Amino acid sequence: DAMVIQNPRYQVTQFGKPVTLSCSQTLNHNVMYWYQQKSSQAPKLLFHYYDKDFNNEADTPDNFQSRRPNTSFCFLDIRSPGLGDAAMYLCASGTGFKAEAFFGQGTRLTVV
Amino acid sequence: QQQVKQSPQSLIVQKGGISIINCAYENTAFDYFPWYQQFPGKGPALLIAIRPDVSEKKEGRFTISFNKSAKQFSLHIMDSQPGDSATYFCAAREETGKLIFGQGTTLQVKP
Repeated sequence: DAMVIQNPRYQVTQFGKPVTLSCSQTLNHNVMYWYQQKSSQAPKLLFHYYDKDFNNEADTPDNFQSRRPNTSFCFLDIRSPGLGDAAMYLCASGTGFKAEAFFGQGTRLTVV
Repeated sequence: QQQVKQSPQSLIVQKGGISIINCAYENTAFDYFPWYQQFPGKGPALLIAIRPDVSEKKEGRFTISFNKSAKQFSLHIMDSQPGDSATYFCAAREETGKLIFGQGTTLQVKP
């Protein structure tokens, strides 16, 4: 009965090869977030959507893009992954900015 | 600049003991302070949270103590169990709703 589902759980990609991570939520939440979590570090917000309104964090590299085609789905696109982009990518959703955020299990990205 | 500072980085506690994790923040505009528990290979899950107008909140074995004047808050885990072994993150929420996480504490509870 997972509420925020991320696919795949593990992704291996080649240096410079575009990769897409996906997230879906069955909660009909307005807000969806993407976080990057490197080993032994805190999650770092990359961007979020409020409905279709996209909000990019100022320090998120241009290499990272996102799409939200509908309420349930959100994608993280990494255009040219570098070795430094290897991390756990966490998707979360919430009913609003002031509401609890529910996290998915994450996708662990390896760049070779 | 690290807005939320968490300590210790790692903690080892005997079963039945009390685990204490501390966080300090700078921004007085933060309006909500959650703690997340994360097991290896899993996403963070909300454990307990507090608002700054409350000095303490208890849920089962987990208690948050909040000191607004000192801009500090802490998580106490009473009667710590091996199943509590995980990484714990404190966080603080900005007015925009953005969560600022602490650096995390890896807790190991020894049987």
